[in-house]
Amino acid sequence: DGGITQSPKYLFRKEGQNVTLSCEQNLNHDAMYWYRQDPGQGLRLIYYSQIVNDFQKGDIAEGYSVSREKKESFPLTVTSAQKNPTAFYLCASSVQQGSNYGYTFGSGTRLTVV
Amino acid sequence: RKEVEQDPGPFNVPEGATVAFNCTYSNSASQSFFWYRQDCRKEPKLLMSVYSSGNEDGRFTAQLNRASQYISLLIRDSKLSDSATYLCVVNRRNFNKFYFGSGTKLNVKP
Repeated sequence: DGGITQSPKYLFRKEGQNVTLSCEQNLNHDAMYWYRQDPGQGLRLIYYSQIVNDFQKGDIAEGYSVSREKKESFPLTVTSAQKNPTAFYLCASSVQQGSNYGYTFGSGTRLTVV
Repeated sequence: RKEVEQDPGPFNVPEGATVAFNCTYSNSASQSFFWYRQDCRKEPKLLMSVYSSGNEDGRFTAQLNRASQYISLLIRDSKLSDSATYLCVVNRRNFNKFYFGSGTKLNVKP
């Protein structure tokens, strides 16, 4: 079955450490996205990518970095510059930009700073 | 002003009740509209798209009012399993990202 796979499901980060969250899709979708969700709040866009080797900052990109070397993969690195990284991170993809088909989400990674 | 606004709730209703949520959007150029369902500590899942003429899927009915810039979701004969947070999602014409509301929490009680 096609879908989006995020790993790990739970991740613990020490202060000052960089960590990378994996997102892989086999839906042949062009566009991929990273969102952050804090308790009781909506989703906020971190980065998005429409095609391979291209990505744009979202609303809260500071302290994060991404790459899009393959169509299937869009990993997110949470750097030590992100001062409050504890959150639920969701990766999503869509058929194309401005899609009328909505997003497909991965099951998320819950990141906690220890 | 936020792109998409929703009443956070919670809406507490008994089983079998009919409940409706509204969601307002700020940009008149918005083109695509969706309702997503999110269970506690899970990812959002697409519930239904919202079409200009309104659409129905079983017990769920979605409506779009472009003049007043809101969409609505009506749930009839509520089930315990309908308890979740419902997210309103909007996509602007020629934009390549979606805007999410903060969600409306629904609790269906026996």
